Amino acid sequence: KAGVTQTPRYLIKTRGQQVTLSCSPISGHRSVSWYQQTPGQGLQFLFEYFSETQRNKGNFPGRFSGRQFSNSRSEMNVSTLELGDSALYLCASSPRTSGVSDTGELFFGEGSRLTVL
Amino acid sequence: KNEVEQSPQNLTAQEGEFITINCSYSVGISALHWLQQHPGGGIVSLFMLSSGKKKHGRLIATINIQEKHSSLHITASHPRDSAVYICAVRFGNQFYFGTGTSLTVIP
Repeated sequence: KAGVTQTPRYLIKTRGQQVTLSCSPISGHRSVSWYQQTPGQGLQFLFEYFSETQRNKGNFPGRFSGRQFSNSRSEMNVSTLELGDSALYLCASSPRTSGVSDTGELFFGEGSRLTVL
Repeated sequence: KNEVEQSPQNLTAQEGEFITINCSYSVGISALHWLQQHPGGGIVSLFMLSSGKKKHGRLIATINIQEKHSSLHITASHPRDSAVYICAVRFGNQFYFGTGTSLTVIP
């Protein structure tokens, strides 16, 4: 079974640009979540999607957005990039089935490393 | 205010030693995850717990819901266990992460 695939793995952008990152979950997983990891702040939760609906959102500005498609693939977008957005962006899929209280094991992708110059 | 506290932050052990990493949290949770991250970035989920104890090979994870505390134990540690171990809790619609424990196992 193929794992979680994130593209691109590495990218360099300049301030003010926007970026779109893609995540293909494990086949059959309908839940996809996104995380930002930086040396200063560690891992932080961005948002979570289940069956094309954003279920949960972390404490990030509106420049960070995402969506999920009917095949469960997900994208996240960061607009008007700032230097502080340089980070490793990780996606995880989960076999959780439904509901807020239901949870499932997380399967992470290798991440997309974004550098903002 | 950190919802999740891990200790120790850094840990060096000799091969074969028994290792314990602790995680305390301040919120009522629906699940706790132990994650492993090797240099280079990839994260692997080791355990997901909502109660009791789980064992996988040389790894054991326990959780005490009343005391809001979890431990990750590694028996007979090996250099390949060298990694950062991260505790994460799910509380309602949010995930909170510990800052991680960097483990180095010396041959």
